[in-house]
Amino acid sequence: DAMVIQNPRYQVTQFGKPVTLSCSQTLNHNVMYWYQQKSSQAPKLLFHYYDKDFNNEADTPDNFQSRRPNTSFCFLDIRSPGLGDAAMYLCATSRDLAGINEQFFGPGTRLTVL
Amino acid sequence: GENVEQHPSTLSVQEGDSAVIKCTYSDSASNYFPWYKQELGKRPQLIIDIRSNVGEKKDQRIAVTLNKTAKHFSLHITETQPEDSAVYFCAGRTGSARQLTFGSGTQLTVLP
Repeated sequence: DAMVIQNPRYQVTQFGKPVTLSCSQTLNHNVMYWYQQKSSQAPKLLFHYYDKDFNNEADTPDNFQSRRPNTSFCFLDIRSPGLGDAAMYLCATSRDLAGINEQFFGPGTRLTVL
Repeated sequence: GENVEQHPSTLSVQEGDSAVIKCTYSDSASNYFPWYKQELGKRPQLIIDIRSNVGEKKDQRIAVTLNKTAKHFSLHITETQPEDSAVYFCAGRTGSARQLTFGSGTQLTVLP
């Protein structure tokens, strides 16, 4: 009964080698988010999709891109990973309706950059 | 934009005691305040939330209070148990925004 699924759970890549993380949801939520979380820190929002509308946070590096081909799937592309991009990447979803705000998080993908 | 500050960063309590974590926010237009619990290596999970038209909300051993005038809200956990040990994050949402602004987190340790 998994609701927000992230694959892979662990990803190892080399410095500068592009990597794609995936997220899928069975909740039919119209909003999907990507967060970066480093050790002992709060999740940091990178961007979110409202349906197909992409919303980038002002301080998200250009190195991070995202795609949402349909309601269920969302991808995070890191074009040239640096050592500082090693982190847990969390996907979350919410249903953007008045009064309903809960974000449901996936289990995360832990990215290691060698 | 919204700024959420959370205190303390670490908190240790004896099993059975109460724990209180406090957050302040900057934007008076903020209207939704969730609390997430994150166990080591796991996803954040919503444990309780409160909207700006309510001053207090309880769910068994967990309660949240909101003071709109002072722009702060607090998480109260009573009769703490070792399984309450985790990192707790508060967050705020402004108006019709879809984004949450998270506090920096509190590592709660419940000592047996």
